[in-house]
Amino acid sequence: DIQMTQSPSSLSASVGDRVTITCRASQGISNYLAWFQQKPGKAPKSLIYAASSLQSGVPSKFSGSGSGTDFTLTISSLQPEDFATYYCQQYNSYPWTFGQGTKVEIK
Amino acid sequence: QVQLVQSGAEVKKPGASVKVSCKASGYTFTSYGISWVRQAPGQGLEWMGWISAYNGNTNYAQKLQGRVTMTTDTSTSTAYMELRSLRSDDTAVYYCARAGRFDYWGQGTLVTVSS
Repeated sequence: DIQMTQSPSSLSASVGDRVTITCRASQGISNYLAWFQQKPGKAPKSLIYAASSLQSGVPSKFSGSGSGTDFTLTISSLQPEDFATYYCQQYNSYPWTFGQGTKVEIK
Repeated sequence: QVQLVQSGAEVKKPGASVKVSCKASGYTFTSYGISWVRQAPGQGLEWMGWISAYNGNTNYAQKLQGRVTMTTDTSTSTAYMELRSLRSDDTAVYYCARAGRFDYWGQGTLVTVSS
C-alpha cells in the first residue's frame, strides 16, 4: 500500500498568513492526488484534484502543486473560514489512501 | 445540481450487518464510480473501496475484504455499501463520494455498533 504522510500534523496560524501543507507519498503517484477540507461534523469538501486542478467554486487562494512523491497545498491568505482539517488522498493505485490530516488552528 | 443523498443513521449490535444507500441525482450515474470512505469518531478518513457504476467492478480495502460488498442499482441511480459481522470499531460516519474528481460527497451516515 502507498503511505501518505502529511506534515505538519497541526499548525497554528493567524488570519492573513500564508500556509503550506505538505503531503509525501511512499512511492510515486504521478499527479493522482486530491486535497480535501473538513470542518467538524461536516462531510469533506474537495479543493484540488490531479494535484493542481482547482475544483469548481473553490476560491483561488487555494493552490496545489507537486508530482511524483511530494505535494503541497497552499492557502495564500488564511481567512477565518479556512480553519479546518485538511487531508490529501492518492488515487494512483489501489488501495486509495489518505494522509493522516493536518489541523489548521487559530493562533 | 449534483447530489448524493445517503440513508439515515443506524444502530446495530455486534455481529449484525448494515446496508447504507447513496442516491445520486443531477448527473449520468453510470459515468462515474462511487468511492466509500468512513471516519471513526475523532479519527481521520479511511478509504473503504470503489465501485464502477458503469459495470459494477469493485475494489475493496484489504482490511475489509470478506465483510464488505458494494453494489449499484442503475435503475434508481443508487449505490449501496453493506458491511457484515459488525464490530465496535466499525462505529463511524460512512460517506459516499463521486469518484474521478471526488467533487461531490454524501452527507454521511452514522453507524453505531453497540451491544
